[in-house]
Amino acid sequence: SQQGEEDPQALSIQEGENATMNCSYKTSINNLQWYRQNSGRGLVHLILIRSNEREKHSGRLRVTLDTSKKSSSLLITASRAADTASYFCATGEGANSKLTFGKGITLSVRP
Amino acid sequence: GAVVSQHPSWVICKSGTSVKIECRSLDFQATTMFWYRQFPKQSLMLMATSNEGSKATYEQGVEKDKFLINHASLTLSTLTVTSAHPEDSSFYICSARGWAGIYEQYFGPGTRLTVT
Repeated sequence: SQQGEEDPQALSIQEGENATMNCSYKTSINNLQWYRQNSGRGLVHLILIRSNEREKHSGRLRVTLDTSKKSSSLLITASRAADTASYFCATGEGANSKLTFGKGITLSVRP
Repeated sequence: GAVVSQHPSWVICKSGTSVKIECRSLDFQATTMFWYRQFPKQSLMLMATSNEGSKATYEQGVEKDKFLINHASLTLSTLTVTSAHPEDSSFYICSARGWAGIYEQYFGPGTRLTVT
């Protein structure tokens, strides 16, 4: 069953603008991860945030985690056309820390 | 580092035949491997989790006799789709986790299976 629910489902922005994507989940987690997937390709790991962390940065990416609200956000600053892809949040839970993926957000960055 | 490969990248087979997909960790030892399937424009659904040397743990609703998983070594796991049918057509993705991190999973590039 899916745990993460991303919002919005689709996002279209102009190159240079910032893109904000949200993810909500339902149960307790060990960590939350964001992935990118280009059409028909495998997943690229973007960033992992642990349940005891509130914010992490990686290049143009900024992720926040609010465990009280069971939500996370991914911010991509100064977007580029190459950022066009589907983005998934995935929550890790349990001893085996298996991942449960959300439905994904389709991001289109117009040049 | 942490590269995972899959073979083949795509395969077309006839209904009723079996297809084997390999997942390899190229530069680390994978203590745990995961198999997912993804339908077009949909999310990844976990099918099963396998630990090296033991039987795979299947998610609810996944037929273990249809999707045979073998994790015989620390660098190789295989998924065999037995007696494939058109509804098994999907994108199959594996991921692997090593000794170092309990959270990080490294994903393969996926295998596109089309059953005619």
